[in-house]
Amino acid sequence: EDQVTQSPEALRLQEGESSSLNCSYTVSGLRGLFWYRQDPGKGPEFLFTLYSAGEEKEKERLKATLTKKESFLHITAPKPEDSATYLCAVQAGGTYKYIFGTGTRLKVLA
Amino acid sequence: KAGVTQTPRYLIKTRGQQVTLSCSPISGHRSVSWYQQTPGQGLQFLFEYFSETQRNKGNFPGRFSGRQFSNSRSEMNVSTLELGDSALYLCASTKTSFTGNEQFFGPGTRLTVL
Repeated sequence: EDQVTQSPEALRLQEGESSSLNCSYTVSGLRGLFWYRQDPGKGPEFLFTLYSAGEEKEKERLKATLTKKESFLHITAPKPEDSATYLCAVQAGGTYKYIFGTGTRLKVLA
Repeated sequence: KAGVTQTPRYLIKTRGQQVTLSCSPISGHRSVSWYQQTPGQGLQFLFEYFSETQRNKGNFPGRFSGRQFSNSRSEMNVSTLELGDSALYLCASTKTSFTGNEQFFGPGTRLTVL
């Protein structure tokens, strides 16, 4: 069964304290792995798409990496405005279905 | 460039009623997907439409249905509402390029069933 698991469920960081969020997945034929940021009361905001193991993408303080079993979202020197829920999703091969994890709630304290 | 729009933003209905939600994708995007988001279950895939055809369907009862029009706008209908249908309903349009797919979400419709 296609499945996405994110950890930790919640994370509190001090401003400037770097950390990583994990997304492990089981999927039959990965078409893509996606990271989103979601603020309360809003729809998810697209961050990255990764397609193959070894791929990395960066945007400001965020860097996403991909292996055959998991993806990491590294946050370098986070700021309070990085506080949000970060969602990971995979698109399964053979279908066009997107499977989402339940997210990591990140709180960055000033 | 305008983003994905969803109407209405908020709805309050009672059990047994039906509801129709609307989604306008980003111009040029032909795929529209619908999701239900609840605190306990996270984002659950409902269905996807591409060029007016349902291309994929999640594991939801037949009370949940949708359609897509020739201009790519999509509607989702829920009949015989239940309390458990209270959720944020999100629509996403997909940009497909030679590098792959990117999904862009609308702000959602918050449905409350009393």
